[in-house]
Amino acid sequence: GAVVSQHPSWVICKSGTSVKIECRSLDFQATTMFWYRQFPKQSLMLMATSNEGSKATYEQGVEKDKFLINHASLTLSTLTVTSAHPEDSSFYICSARGGRERSYEQYFGPGTRLTVT
Amino acid sequence: RKEVEQDPGPFNVPEGATVAFNCTYSNSASQSFFWYRQDCRKEPKLLMSVYSSGNEDGRFTAQLNRASQYISLLIRDSKLSDSATYLCVVTPPAGTALIFGKGTTLSVSS
Repeated sequence: GAVVSQHPSWVICKSGTSVKIECRSLDFQATTMFWYRQFPKQSLMLMATSNEGSKATYEQGVEKDKFLINHASLTLSTLTVTSAHPEDSSFYICSARGGRERSYEQYFGPGTRLTVT
Repeated sequence: RKEVEQDPGPFNVPEGATVAFNCTYSNSASQSFFWYRQDCRKEPKLLMSVYSSGNEDGRFTAQLNRASQYISLLIRDSKLSDSATYLCVVTPPAGTALIFGKGTTLSVSS
């Protein structure tokens, strides 16, 4: 299947700092990328949908000024958690949906575990 | 009512057992249906798509009942490696984002 990478795999940061997470589709062009968040023992919750070259669409309750998403190219989307707080500690997972030949499935990155102290 | 509901389990079964998971979804206009598998602290991986006609992939069989808004997954001859959380996933009628259930945890023991 298609490969989606995420970096970093895990990060520990201090409260108030900003953290950038990268999501890359390695062998296909991702027309749409999705960002999810998963708290322990909870389901994955969609945070936002981003299409290359346009502004991301955020789900209700997700602060767009706190979670900055940039989908600058067909292979890269970034999520920046600004002024992180301990309650932002979570497992962040991106997924990518491709063009014509891969329009059906979404491929997930391995996730980034964020801990804010 | 949650959009996708699953029995969280855990289901503890011996090797070789047959186990079934159920899932219900609230939006009758949902478009696509999937079962994903998620191992501890890992990303979800697509296990199989689910069709009204039912589909089988080796030891795994998935069924969809649109009238009842009900999805099932049957695992036959359970292996130790089947231990994981199984996520029921649907896509909404107008969009491509995935809506996840909380997952059902399966633990297969020897």
